[in-house]
Amino acid sequence: GQQLNQSPQSMFIQEGEDVSMNCTSSSIFNTWLWYKQDPGEGPVLLIALYKAGELTSNGRLTAQFGITRKDSFLNISASIPSDVGIYFCAGHMGAQKLVFGQGTRLTINP
Amino acid sequence: DGGITQSPKYLFRKEGQNVTLSCEQNLNHDAMYWYRQDPGQGLRLIYYSQIVNDFQKGDIAEGYSVSREKKESFPLTVTSAQKNPTAFYLCASRPGQGFQPQHFGDGTRLSIL
Repeated sequence: GQQLNQSPQSMFIQEGEDVSMNCTSSSIFNTWLWYKQDPGEGPVLLIALYKAGELTSNGRLTAQFGITRKDSFLNISASIPSDVGIYFCAGHMGAQKLVFGQGTRLTINP
Repeated sequence: DGGITQSPKYLFRKEGQNVTLSCEQNLNHDAMYWYRQDPGQGLRLIYYSQIVNDFQKGDIAEGYSVSREKKESFPLTVTSAQKNPTAFYLCASRPGQGFQPQHFGDGTRLSIL
């Protein structure tokens, strides 16, 4: 099936640092979504992007829908311990099915 | 509280046994989905349903079956034909219109005895 290339696969940072991760594809997407998954739990929606060029914030999180509609990034500012987890990007090509990235595992050293 | 409830949280299967994972939502969502997640990997779509009494195969449907007799319920059966069933299974739902995002339950972890 279709693939989203998400990078980096893992990040090890110090508390208080900013974080940046991104997703790219060779295909055009109609929406970009960013989810966070804690161990043993389901993914939780962080940000949804619906228009090319859209820049949206949710607290310390900021995400953008790339102009070409083939990429998106997520930034986290001033990281805190509860930011630890796996972050997934996902995109709608058709309305019914989502394509997911492989995830970015974030680890924070206190 | 509105949400998606998956049960059980942990499930063990013996060789040759079918097991059924429950997914219930009270969000009045039309569409429901089942995903499989293996360690260190993303989510892979097993089956999805857009309306009651209708469902479609996803990318890895072999060895699984579903039903959608009620809007709020979308159970997944892992059959004995699925030779590597150990995984974390996630159910999701969303409104049927447009590009509304999917929302997830808390998952069921299935292991082989």
